[in-house]
Amino acid sequence: EAQVTQNPRYLITVTGKKLTVTCSQNMNHEYMSWYRQDPGLGLRQIYYSMNVEVTDKGDVPEGYKVSRKEKRNFPLILESPSPNQTSLYFCASSLSEGRVYEQYFGPGTRLTVT
Amino acid sequence: ILNVEQSPQSLHVQEGDSTNFTCSFPSSNFYALHWYRWETAKSPEALFVMTLNGDEKKKGRISATLNTKEGYSYLYIKGSQPEDSATYLCASKRYGGSQGNLIFGKGTKLSVKP
Repeated sequence: EAQVTQNPRYLITVTGKKLTVTCSQNMNHEYMSWYRQDPGLGLRQIYYSMNVEVTDKGDVPEGYKVSRKEKRNFPLILESPSPNQTSLYFCASSLSEGRVYEQYFGPGTRLTVT
Repeated sequence: ILNVEQSPQSLHVQEGDSTNFTCSFPSSNFYALHWYRWETAKSPEALFVMTLNGDEKKKGRISATLNTKEGYSYLYIKGSQPEDSATYLCASKRYGGSQGNLIFGKGTKLSVKP
């Protein structure tokens, strides 16, 4: 089944404890992206990657890191999480960044930082 | 950051009503306009990707139009059903240095009463 998977789905952690949220897609998509969803603010793009080893900042990259060593994986790294990073995170992928391609979203990761 | 605005913020209709809502986006350097449907506790799913001025797309009872010169898109739902209840998101892509950057509006939350 073609899909985007994220792990973990739920995470409660403490301020300053490094964490990684994994994202993987099995559709051979070139483009991958991370978003966060906060009440009243809509989906905001954190980072995106147009291909292996190519990443770029979205609108809210502060406090996050990403890497794209393999085409299928695009982990999101929080080196020192803070409470303002409590949010619902979505990973998404598309065939390429080209204009006609829709994005496929993962199931979401709900992160709470205390 | 360009603004993508959606209206209304929420909408309550009766089963069988037809409804429509608006997405406004900056018309300069237009690249693509996406519509997604997001049900509670699920992930956003693509409805349409629109690229050309005057585009009209249809999927079942849902259709969308695009005006890139004035920067708006309408989403129409004919004969709403309870299963249409969801948040409808639009997102805009622009030409230029951040071509992979997809900017989402805050969504229109539709509730359809049986």
